[in-house]
Amino acid sequence: DTGVSQNPRHKITKRGQNVTFRCDPISEHNRLYWYRQTLGQGPEFLTYFQNEAQLEKSRLLSDRFSAERPKGSFSTLEIQRTEQGDSAMYLCASSRIGLGYTFGSGTRLTVV
Amino acid sequence: QQPVQSPQAVILREGEDAVINCSSSKALYSVHWYRQKHGEAPIFLMILLKGGEQKGHDKISASFNEKKQQSSLYLTASQLSYSGTYFCGTEFESGGGADGLTFGKGTHLIIQP
Repeated sequence: DTGVSQNPRHKITKRGQNVTFRCDPISEHNRLYWYRQTLGQGPEFLTYFQNEAQLEKSRLLSDRFSAERPKGSFSTLEIQRTEQGDSAMYLCASSRIGLGYTFGSGTRLTVV
Repeated sequence: QQPVQSPQAVILREGEDAVINCSSSKALYSVHWYRQKHGEAPIFLMILLKGGEQKGHDKISASFNEKKQQSSLYLTASQLSYSGTYFCGTEFESGGGADGLTFGKGTHLIIQP
């Protein structure tokens, strides 16, 4: 069990650019979640997958946000045309049904 | 729909007890508790499912009052390592536990020697 891995750890981008983050979950976990966390707040749910199916995406922040999980393995979160308000920590977590989440260390995005 | 946590912050001396509360306006399927230290990922503490159970390990335990849609986290004889921000995360009954967790704003716990 190597834990949940996220890459990159930090990303600085210019406003208007597209960014993509990657998450490798724990292999035995069939659920994968994306959250956003800003300073002083709890994690904010974005979307989740069960195996390769994206079961909830209505809470993605805008149509600039999209996520994929090809073949039910790793997942990517893409933000198009980044804005300064997108600056935050993006957390990935994985779990099995009925169990707690294991979070990755996150990707800190700074939009300048 | 975001659960409400109280208190927002608490400062304790090592060895003292603390209670953190989490309440929801919607019927709950489960409640999770996590602890997050500054600059680190949240760490899972425990999960309580609908049924009003109580769980615990070491000196940290929690209860879930299904009728009141409330959960409480109990930290007894606190240790310096307990310092951090505690979040409750809730799954709603309407989603059957399949909607992902909605987290509260957190309770900041500081343990002083």
